[in-house]
Order: sequence, then structure tokens, then C-alpha cells
Amino acid sequence: GNSVTQMEGPVTLSEEAFLTINCTYTATGYPSLFWYVQYPGEGLQLLLKATKADDKGSNKGFEATYRKETTSFHLEKGSVQVSDSAVYFCALALTTDSWGKLQFGAGTQVVVTP
Amino acid sequence: DVKVTQSSRYLVKRTGEKVFLECVQDMDHENMFWYRQDPGLGLRLIYFSYDVKMKEKGDIPEGYSVSREKKERFSLILESASTNQTSMYLCASSWGSGRLYYNEQFFGPGTRLTVL
Repeated sequence: GNSVTQMEGPVTLSEEAFLTINCTYTATGYPSLFWYVQYPGEGLQLLLKATKADDKGSNKGFEATYRKETTSFHLEKGSVQVSDSAVYFCALALTTDSWGKLQFGAGTQVVVTP
Repeated sequence: DVKVTQSSRYLVKRTGEKVFLECVQDMDHENMFWYRQDPGLGLRLIYFSYDVKMKEKGDIPEGYSVSREKKERFSLILESASTNQTSMYLCASSWGSGRLYYNEQFFGPGTRLTVL
């Protein structure tokens, strides 16, 4: 089956530190990959996505590269801010699924301290 | 901007009660989804709908039903609430297949349901 595995949190780091959240996947087909972010008390928002191998998604200083050879889509940010404190979800959608269903990872909580 | 709204942010119900969670989207999206979110488990799909009156089971449909009488509205129903249905419920919507970005989902703020 299809699944997404991401590193467990919480990840606690200081402002301006480098952030990496690992995400790996298994899929029976050729997926599109997503990172969603959930700020406290809110629903999920799409942060970035990539639809084919070697694509790089980027938004708000975050980046992730679709690595087919390692089945990974790690999220990185060079200098985090307190406002980046949130839960981050990695997800996949099979391109063969016409309804666009998403398979989510468990989520990684990130806490950024001043 | 796409807006997905949910009828309640917080809800407290008693075991055995019938519970309705409502979701409305304003972007004319074909697809709508209901998830539950639990710590350590991420989001799990309960049901989804790809058209009015059409529905499909997700990964954990047991104990739930849904209704979609109008395109913009998707309801989740707990026929007889139980304590193990205490959770955060998230609604989402997206374009139908054949549209660009059809697999990007837009989420509501969630309803935190407590069943006592």
C-alpha cells in the first residue's frame, strides 16, 4: 500500500536555526508530493508541492526536493522564525487516483524559541 | 481565496447522541473530504464525495455516514456517538479530476469533538 513516514517530533530549535524534517514514502504508482502546515488552532494549509522527480517545491523560505531514487521529500528551511512553530505534514497523492486522495504522514511538531 | 468553513470549532456531546458536523466551501469544488486527526496518527480519511449525492468510503468509515445534497455542503454524521470518536475533524475540498491542481486540497479550521 501507500504510506508516508516522517520524523517524530517535537523538534525544538532556536530562532535562526536550520530546520530539516525528513519524509519518506512508499507508493504503488508515481505520486505527487506535498507539505502541509498547521498553525495552532487552524486547519491545514498547503506549503509546497512537487509533481515529478527532481522537482523542487518552495514557499515562504521552505524547500523540498522530490527524490525518486531515495523515495524522499525532506523539508528544509535555512533560518526559522518563531512564527514557523507549527505541525508539518508530508503527504502524497497518486497521479492515477482521479479523486486526488491524500495519504498523510503522522505530522511533525516544530517549536521555535526566541 | 478559497474558503472552507465548519459549523463549530468545539463540540461536546454525550455517548449515544446523533452528531452532525457541517462543512461548506465557496469555490465550486467538486470533491469534498472528511478526515479525523489524532496525535501520532496524522490525518485519516473517513469519507469523500466527488459529486452531489455521490460518496465513497475512506480508510476509517465505520461509525460514520455522510450527506451531500448540495455541491457546496458536505455533512458528517455520527449516528450514535462513542467516546472513541473524540477527535479533531477536518473538512477539505478540491477541484475534480481533469482540472489543473485537482489534487490540492483546501482545509477548514476543524471541529474538536469531545464525546463524554
